[in-house]
Amino acid sequence: GESVGLHLPTLSVQEGDNSIINCAYSNSASDYFIWYKQESGKGPQFIIDIRSNMDKRQGQRVTVLLNKTVKHLSLQIAATQPGDSAVYFCAETIGGSQGNLIFGKGTKLSVKP
Amino acid sequence: KAGVTQTPRYLIKTRGQQVTLSCSPISGHRSVSWYQQTPGQGLQFLFEYFSETQRNKGNFPGRFSGRQFSNSRSEMNVSTLELGDSALYLCASSRTTGGIYNEQFFGPGTRLTVL
Repeated sequence: GESVGLHLPTLSVQEGDNSIINCAYSNSASDYFIWYKQESGKGPQFIIDIRSNMDKRQGQRVTVLLNKTVKHLSLQIAATQPGDSAVYFCAETIGGSQGNLIFGKGTKLSVKP
Repeated sequence: KAGVTQTPRYLIKTRGQQVTLSCSPISGHRSVSWYQQTPGQGLQFLFEYFSETQRNKGNFPGRFSGRQFSNSRSEMNVSTLELGDSALYLCASSRTTGGIYNEQFFGPGTRLTVL
């Protein structure tokens, strides 16, 4: 919501299409990677997470892919809906200190009806 | 089950004043973390509390402080407010801390404006 920055990367997709949101991370010691969705006026909402020893994890309409070789994380949303419009953040935890999330800058997803 | 609640939702202060924000975690959650969210810096970790003890601290000046009570409710305080402290302050709770990852649940935030 009010968290949207003036210079956030933006992804615009047509309703029904698949969306892919990307995120790069820098710390090889990260244990878990998490995707959050933030709608206007709300706090971040958990979408899906993946442990560092996994490459792929699927949820309902969402898939997270982790490529540790290039330190890249992606979130795929199938059949994107207008309700998916929000800012999406990736986050990582390091050393089991899961109370301290390190967030990426965020991507604003806009879904056109 | 009620979610994380934060009070107040909106706050306007002037430079030099101090402010206290409150967070009530989800029932049964003992870990509370605080984050600052601004357009320029994004979401940044402030500190984490577990069983009334600060377990982790982010890179913020000493003007930012917090505490946790025996019922797991937490407060954060910012003294000598600066214009740059204007932000959305988010609280998140989780079941435990340290060694085992647990999902964090965020509250709606407190929007602080410093004039």
